Amino acid sequence: EPEVTQTPSHQVTQMGQEVILRCVPISNHLYFYWYRQILGQKVEFLVSFYNNEISEKSEIFDDQFSVERPDGSNFTLKIRSTKLEDSAMYFCASSEQGASNQPQHFGDGTRLSIL
Amino acid sequence: KNEVEQSPQNLTAQEGEFITINCSYSVGISALHWLQQHPGGGIVSLFMLSSGKKKHGRLIATINIQEKHSSLHITASHPRDSAVYICAVLGGATNKLIFGTGTLLAVQP
Repeated sequence: EPEVTQTPSHQVTQMGQEVILRCVPISNHLYFYWYRQILGQKVEFLVSFYNNEISEKSEIFDDQFSVERPDGSNFTLKIRSTKLEDSAMYFCASSEQGASNQPQHFGDGTRLSIL
Repeated sequence: KNEVEQSPQNLTAQEGEFITINCSYSVGISALHWLQQHPGGGIVSLFMLSSGKKKHGRLIATINIQEKHSSLHITASHPRDSAVYICAVLGGATNKLIFGTGTLLAVQP
């Protein structure tokens, strides 16, 4: 069964450094999402992306965050200048159609640790 | 107050028991998801429903839109069912999932 893949599985970065988290969504999916889960807390929506633009974003997704689909397969989340509080598990998801019509398929996540 | 509340937060069951996890929400929704998260973090979608009932193997999910309530049932529970079960709702005209805090289920042999 096709799956969403995320790399790396664990990223350790110094505070203030830029980090790029990578995702390969399922190939025929059109909608892409990033979520984060701080240790011990619930999963939180960051951003949704469709047709090469952001369709919705949360208040967490400030100017330090950006997303990009640089080619036909990858979907990336960039954090420009990382803070300690960015330490979390980041999940990518994709769906074939809009989220109300199709389930979202999640990757296994990237654990981001900011030192 | 959380928009999505789950109960119980923690649940320990003996193998073979029938398990129910509840989810209540306070916003209008277009769909509700039940997700499973194993230790190590990966999330798997179990169900997406907007009305009625769905069944997959030993798992059953129901939703009552009028009461803003959903339940996830596991029949004949097994230790491999041990995981965090998360309810997440999709608000009306949005792609944004709002997550509950999850229910940690431990099924003992």
